[in-house]
Amino acid sequence: DVKVTQSSRYLVKRTGEKVFLECVQDMDHENMFWYRQDPGLGLRLIYFSYDVKMKEKGDIPEGYSVSREKKERFSLILESASTNQTSMYLCASHDGQTGGTEAFFGQGTRLTVV
Amino acid sequence: GESVGLHLPTLSVQEGDNSIINCAYSNSASDYFIWYKQESGKGPQFIIDIRSNMDKRQGQRVTVLLNKTVKHLSLQIAATQPGDSAVYFCAETHNAGNMLTFGGGTRLMVKP
Repeated sequence: DVKVTQSSRYLVKRTGEKVFLECVQDMDHENMFWYRQDPGLGLRLIYFSYDVKMKEKGDIPEGYSVSREKKERFSLILESASTNQTSMYLCASHDGQTGGTEAFFGQGTRLTVV
Repeated sequence: GESVGLHLPTLSVQEGDNSIINCAYSNSASDYFIWYKQESGKGPQFIIDIRSNMDKRQGQRVTVLLNKTVKHLSLQIAATQPGDSAVYFCAETHNAGNMLTFGGGTRLMVKP
């Protein structure tokens, strides 16, 4: 059974803190994604990676960075958390080799910045 | 700009009725259109996709219709069940597996 695991379900951080959101997939997928989800706005792409050490900006990369040192792990970093980064964060992975459109999502991390 | 707390469109249907969830898209160059279902407390889950050169595709109890003329996509769920209650997102992608662009979502509520 395919699995994408996000390290935390809920996080509360203070403004200005550096925040790490971790995501691990066990499917040997090439492509990994970070989205944030806000009511009525759907899922918006922050960053994606199609290989180790490769990254591409999505639609809303400002205030975020990412790291992909190993194929199975994709980390989202908030360098200095702000209250407007309070949101639900979703990680996803996709098999870039076999094609198809199905992406597999983690359960999400609800981040509150106070 | 971002608006926290935007109201999510809601569709309320009676158990056993058919549901139709609609989505408008903007990118004529999209190759695939996909529907995802997100249950409370979970990440989105793939339901069905359709390639841009098709206008209809059927799955188990679900049918997706694509009208490229008016850039409209719909998901039809037959004999809606309580387990279908969720938020449904349409998404589009230029290349299969490339980054997905999601719509805002529609909440489906099934009344017993």
